[in-house]
Amino acid sequence: KAGVTQTPRYLIKTRGQQVTLSCSPISGHRSVSWYQQTPGQGLQFLFEYFSETQRNKGNFPGRFSGRQFSNSRSEMNVSTLELGDSALYLCASRSGTGINEKLFFGSGTQLSVL
Amino acid sequence: GENVEQHPSTLSVQEGDSAVIKCTYSDSASNYFPWYKQELGKRPQLIIDIRSNVGEKKDQRIAVTLNKTAKHFSLHITETQPEDSAVYFCAAILSGNTPLVFGKGTRLSVIA
Repeated sequence: KAGVTQTPRYLIKTRGQQVTLSCSPISGHRSVSWYQQTPGQGLQFLFEYFSETQRNKGNFPGRFSGRQFSNSRSEMNVSTLELGDSALYLCASRSGTGINEKLFFGSGTQLSVL
Repeated sequence: GENVEQHPSTLSVQEGDSAVIKCTYSDSASNYFPWYKQELGKRPQLIIDIRSNVGEKKDQRIAVTLNKTAKHFSLHITETQPEDSAVYFCAAILSGNTPLVFGKGTRLSVIA
């Protein structure tokens, strides 16, 4: 079974631009979560989608948005990029939303904002 | 919401020694605690997890202990090897309807 796939692997953008990141979960997984990883800050939760509905949202500005499609694939969009948005963006999937559902991560998209 | 504190942020041990990483959580209702290992340039991978109805769990050289009263849990790695060098993250979840909350990570270096 293929793992969580994220594209692209690397992105370089300039301030003010927008960017869209893509995530394909493990086949059969219906929940997709997004995390921002920066040095020293660990993994900060952005949002989670389940069956095309946003279930949870972290403490990030409205410039960060996402969506999920009927095939469970998810996209994350960041508008009006700022230098501080440079980070590794990780997508993770799990089969459901039960307490014991294990979370599996993709390799991430490394975003650099110049 | 849940908050997870992780210590230390960096840890160096000699090969063959043990390593211990500790985490505390804020919400006493949290009941699932996974640990992830992230090697340089790779994705975080689940290495062990524990549920609130269990006090300790072992898997070969790694073990996790949970103290619900004190709201802390720890990762123990025995007989460390160079390939154990990585960043380790602890996490906690309140319920299936809430997100997994992570600590800020511990960079473990095993010196040969």
